[in-house]
Amino acid sequence: DQQVKQNSPSLSVQEGRISILNCDYTNSMFDYFLWYKKYPAEGPTFLISISSIKDKNEDGRFTVFLNKSAKHLSLHIVPSQPGDSAVYFCAASKIIFGKGTRLHILP
Amino acid sequence: DVKVTQSSRYLVKRTGEKVFLECVQDMDHENMFWYRQDPGLGLRLIYFSYDVKMKEKGDIPEGYSVSREKKERFSLILESASTNQTSMYLCASSLAGASGYTFGSGTRLTVV
Repeated sequence: DQQVKQNSPSLSVQEGRISILNCDYTNSMFDYFLWYKKYPAEGPTFLISISSIKDKNEDGRFTVFLNKSAKHLSLHIVPSQPGDSAVYFCAASKIIFGKGTRLHILP
Repeated sequence: DVKVTQSSRYLVKRTGEKVFLECVQDMDHENMFWYRQDPGLGLRLIYFSYDVKMKEKGDIPEGYSVSREKKERFSLILESASTNQTSMYLCASSLAGASGYTFGSGTRLTVV
């Protein structure tokens, strides 16, 4: 059973608009969450994290929101840029990853 | 800058061969991990290690073993390669606690 779920395998967003990537989890004991970005033929790179004691963390164009009651987190990218086209993985407490969401930024 | 180096980018091996995938990190990280990435399945944890000589099974350890004789090196071993082990293998390292991983560039292994 998946403990971390990314239910959208892919997402297309117009350049300049907001990209919202979603992630759901089942275990309320996770103490932090991380987002990674992966280009083809490269290893994932760490983007942003959030501790379970916070509900928002912001870093430049990237903001992660955590809703503990819903066991849901989301990554917002504003404004979306062509270089943001990649696969995004949500992870719980480092070890447990979602299956990823492929983000396409449309010109 | 932390570097995680995987010795091969591409590897082709025959069924039944013993395969070694090497990973070296240069920042004195305690934790090291091996994942495989397959289409539609995301990143799945094979094995991890929190210290020298220590190892723990991840979600899919069957058919694999690991070795951590030195802190900077974490090796993944396929005892007898099979075609279902064709995949992208990713090594990562991190400090303890809430820091993110640093991943290597990956090794694409094809077993024929």
